[in-house]
Amino acid sequence: GAVVSQHPSWVICKSGTSVKIECRSLDFQATTMFWYRQFPKQSLMLMATSNEGSKATYEQGVEKDKFLINHASLTLSTLTVTSAHPEDSSFYICSARAGQLASGRYEQYFGPGTRLTVT
Amino acid sequence: SQQGEEDPQALSIQEGENATMNCSYKTSINNLQWYRQNSGRGLVHLILIRSNEREKHSGRLRVTLDTSKKSSSLLITASRAADTASYFCATDRTGGGNKLTFGTGTQLKVEL
Repeated sequence: GAVVSQHPSWVICKSGTSVKIECRSLDFQATTMFWYRQFPKQSLMLMATSNEGSKATYEQGVEKDKFLINHASLTLSTLTVTSAHPEDSSFYICSARAGQLASGRYEQYFGPGTRLTVT
Repeated sequence: SQQGEEDPQALSIQEGENATMNCSYKTSINNLQWYRQNSGRGLVHLILIRSNEREKHSGRLRVTLDTSKKSSSLLITASRAADTASYFCATDRTGGGNKLTFGTGTQLKVEL
C-alpha cells in the first residue's frame, strides 16, 4: 500500500521556539494533505487541509498564524508550529490523499505521527 | 466538531472473545471507515462501508451500518492479544469535501 512518512517522529523544543514537521507521500502524488492533532487518549481533530500550490484551509478555532502549513509539491507538506507553548504539546498526524477511485472515494493514507513536547 | 461518538470508551475482554464497538454520527455520510491505532502510532485503515451498504466483512472484522439510526458497529471475532489498540470510526460526510471526521474512539484491551 501507499506510504506516508513524517519527520521527525518526535521532537522536544523550548517554549517560544518554532518547530517544523514534514509529511511526505513516498510512492504517490498527493493532491491534498490533511493535518490532525491528537491529545492523549483522545480522538484526531482535523486542523487544516492543504492542496498543492494553494493556501491551506483551516478548521474553525485553529490559528493559521500559529500553525503554518506549506504544501510545496505533490509529495511534501510541512506544518510549522510557531512560538510553541507547552499547550501545543501533542501528537500531530498527517494524511495524504491520492487520486479518486472509480467508486468516487479517495484513498487516504496516514503518516506515523510526530510527538511534539514543548518544555 | 466531533462527528462521531463511540461506545464503549474502553473495553477489556479475554482472548478468544468477541469485541463489539459502536459509533454514532450526526449528519448524512458518503461512507464510514474504521481505523485502528496502536499506542503512540499512526492509523491503520481497517474497513470502509458505503452509505448504501448495510454490512461488510473483512477477515475477523464485521462492520454494520444503519443510516436510519446514524450508527455503525465494528465486531472483532475471536480476539487476540495483538488486537489491543484504539479503534476509531471516521465519517466522510456528504458535502464535506471528502474530509474525514473521527469519532472519540474505543480503547480495546485483549487479555491473555
